[in-house]
Amino acid sequence: DTAVSQTPKYLVTQMGNDKSIKCEQNLGHDTMYWYKQDSKKFLKIMFSYNNKELIINETVPNRFSPKSPDKAHLNLHINSLELGDSAVYFCAVQLNTEAFFGQGTRLTVV
Amino acid sequence: KQEVTQIPAALSVPEGENLVLNCSFTDSAIYNLQWFRQDPGKGLTSLLLIQSSQREQTSGRLNASLDKSSGRSTLYIAASQPGDSATYLCAVEDTGRRALTFGSGTRLQVQP
Repeated sequence: DTAVSQTPKYLVTQMGNDKSIKCEQNLGHDTMYWYKQDSKKFLKIMFSYNNKELIINETVPNRFSPKSPDKAHLNLHINSLELGDSAVYFCAVQLNTEAFFGQGTRLTVV
Repeated sequence: KQEVTQIPAALSVPEGENLVLNCSFTDSAIYNLQWFRQDPGKGLTSLLLIQSSQREQTSGRLNASLDKSSGRSTLYIAASQPGDSATYLCAVEDTGRRALTFGSGTRLQVQP
């Protein structure tokens, strides 16, 4: 059983489209995150949610909106996609200070 | 603002060598430090977690140390193997901020 699972693994879409990436965790922990890894492989925090409440928002454009329907899910919606949004997006969960990451979603905007 | 630096950016060693990866951070008020491994096109795998009150952690051939006052951590890999080839990432969690700040990673290649 995968602790943190993301779908889709790959996403290719045209500029201007709206897309969503889903994340589900079965660890039962309250805090979930979205990280972005750019073309230089640098990982940066985007959002943190605790028990369906936004805790951290690291100056991410408002085209990006996390949505948490319940404690086990934190989905990432992106509106009006731009070329610069191309990256790998990782969902993560922290359990007792140790972080567990999903396999990532490689988003390519063309 | 916390900044994490990893040196070297890339490292190539012959199989069997012992090696050290370095990580430094600018703000010593950390909650913990974690080392990850990332294989090409894959997610992150947690290797070792060191709490701020600890000095080191060991798992198999891996040993990670933490010197919080000087803002440094090292990851020691003993008797390296080709299967160790990956990018190794260091990340710190600041006190009061439940999110990780990552270094840019060290890309390791172990030659058979």
